[in-house]
Amino acid sequence: EVQLVESGGGWVEPGGSLRLSCAASGFTFSSYEMNWVRQAPGKGLEWLSCINSRGTTTYYADSVKGRFTISRDNANNSVYLQMSSLRAEDTAFYYCARDLVGAVFDLWGQGTLVTVSS
Amino acid sequence: DIQMTQSPSSLSASVGDRVTITCQASQDTNNNLNWYQQKPGKAPKLLIYDASNLETGVPSRFSGSGSGRDFTFTISSLQPEDIATYYCQQYDNLPWKFGQGTKVDIK
Repeated sequence: EVQLVESGGGWVEPGGSLRLSCAASGFTFSSYEMNWVRQAPGKGLEWLSCINSRGTTTYYADSVKGRFTISRDNANNSVYLQMSSLRAEDTAFYYCARDLVGAVFDLWGQGTLVTVSS
Repeated sequence: DIQMTQSPSSLSASVGDRVTITCQASQDTNNNLNWYQQKPGKAPKLLIYDASNLETGVPSRFSGSGSGRDFTFTISSLQPEDIATYYCQQYDNLPWKFGQGTKVDIK
């Protein structure tokens, strides 16, 4: 089955760190760019970051630049989001999304919830 | 950054009604625009890409049109299973941006 499964969400205190994982299956992972998108509870979608198929080029939204790092392991069909210096406003569902071509997100994971609170 | 303005923010319509949502970009997107559907508690789902191309498996009652800065998403005959929030998204220039969403429910 073609799918993406996120993991690693949870509760963290402000200033803390968390690493999200997204495991891909059912398709040739190494052929696709991958993205992270988040959604605060009851709010809209916010694109965060993307990484090219080889893992050599990354881009970030200004809201997370310098705090979040995207990476991937094509041997293990996974993409990651290392999050540090977390703030209350980072509380959200985090989705990984496959990029069909040029930021057309044709496959999404189910999301993982990150809660930043003291 | 290209900003996306969607309207309305919510609407109620009857089963069988034609529903139209608009999305305006702050600058030309060269038709690099997608539409997604998100049902409550679920991940978004791609419906339309390149402004007017229907994703495989998506019912033909969904359509997209427009060019440049102004785009329209249409449900030709609203069905109960179409209750969801719909988002436009530009992918002409980084950072990729979504509209604020339009919540559609049944009257």
